[in-house]
Amino acid sequence: DVKVTQSSRYLVKRTGEKVFLECVQDMDHENMFWYRQDPGLGLRLIYFSYDVKMKEKGDIPEGYSVSREKKERFSLILESASTNQTSMYLCASSSPPGLFGAGELFFGEGSMLTVL
Amino acid sequence: AQSVTQLGSHVSVSEGALVLLRCNYSSSVPPYLFWYVQYPNQGLQLLLKYTTGATLVKGINGFEAEFKKSETSFHLTKPSAHMSDAAEYFCAVSAGDGNKLVFGAGTILRVKS
Repeated sequence: DVKVTQSSRYLVKRTGEKVFLECVQDMDHENMFWYRQDPGLGLRLIYFSYDVKMKEKGDIPEGYSVSREKKERFSLILESASTNQTSMYLCASSSPPGLFGAGELFFGEGSMLTVL
Repeated sequence: AQSVTQLGSHVSVSEGALVLLRCNYSSSVPPYLFWYVQYPNQGLQLLLKYTTGATLVKGINGFEAEFKKSETSFHLTKPSAHMSDAAEYFCAVSAGDGNKLVFGAGTILRVKS
């Protein structure tokens, strides 16, 4: 069964702490994504990566960074957490369209981060 | 740029009634379109997708959607709602490069007994 695994389902952190959210996929996908989900706003793209060592800013990158040292792993980093970063974070992966489909995303179960 | 509008942040239906969740999109290129479902405390899972070809697309759990280019719509339907359909539903369109997806704000479906 294909899988995207996020390291933590629930985290509680203090303002100013550095936070790491880890994501691993076992589907050999080139593309990986980090989304943020907030009620009424849907999913907003934070960062994405189409290859190892490659990263691109999404729609809301401020306050975040990412790392992709291996194809299967994509990490989201909050350098100094703030209360407005309290949210559900969703990792996803996909293959490029045209190879195995339409580029549909496969999601992890999400990481609910609360910053106090 | 691509965008998605989902009409109605909350939809309530009775068990056994028709489910209709509305989605309109904007895309500068021929779109790939998706519906995802999110059950409580879970990630998103794919319900169905439209790429090319037949405009009526069937998905899992009895859902289907019809791509209407002239109306730029991709509405999701199910003839008879079940209690287990209660969830949040997201419509998405592929971005210009085909790799990224742009999501709508979501519609929470409530099913009344």
